Amino acid sequence: DAKTTQPPSMDCAEGRAANLPCNHSTISGNEYVYWYRQIHSQGPQYIIHGLKNNETNEMASLIITEDRKSSTLILPHATLRDTAVYYCIVDQTGANNLFFGTGTRLTVIP
Amino acid sequence: KAGVTQTPRYLIKTRGQQVTLSCSPISGHRSVSWYQQTPGQGLQFLFEYFSETQRNKGNFPGRFSGRQFSNSRSEMNVSTLELGDSALYLCASSLGSGETQYFGPGTRLLVL
Repeated sequence: DAKTTQPPSMDCAEGRAANLPCNHSTISGNEYVYWYRQIHSQGPQYIIHGLKNNETNEMASLIITEDRKSSTLILPHATLRDTAVYYCIVDQTGANNLFFGTGTRLTVIP
Repeated sequence: KAGVTQTPRYLIKTRGQQVTLSCSPISGHRSVSWYQQTPGQGLQFLFEYFSETQRNKGNFPGRFSGRQFSNSRSEMNVSTLELGDSALYLCASSLGSGETQYFGPGTRLLVL
């Protein structure tokens, strides 16, 4: 069952920041927000995850609202190689059965 | 550290046959999950193994089965193949429950 809502598609100019939103209004207190991306026909690639606080790594930043009902994945300087489908997933803690949903297809435009 | 590997990468079978796919997890990872991806249904969870035991199972018929060996390598088997089984089969490994899953490149199965 879908626990997240994402826009089906987004465009972003190369070099600009890509901000991908995700709504997860029914998230439980112990559930993490995970982001993966899938470049055409490859296995999903882990990007980042968080519980309450904002997180940053070498790939992206994750901003989670204070009420935890939504989050935004930020790719600070999008490149053509960032064109992919991005999945926001609320993890059922302890159960390694991720529900991927339909994701957001991000197209980075030259 | 080497990533998750899957073999074979591509496979063509005919209806009624059976197929076995293999997954080698990241070293030290004890949990292996399998997923099926089709254009119509997207990415769907098949099952998860941890320490040679199946812990979770998705909503797939009994033709889909799996196992895990003592070295954490896993295999999945599909018997009596149907055209609708054509898909990308993905394996993901993690350290354990609730830990980040890392995916392999997948095995693309075509059933004719």
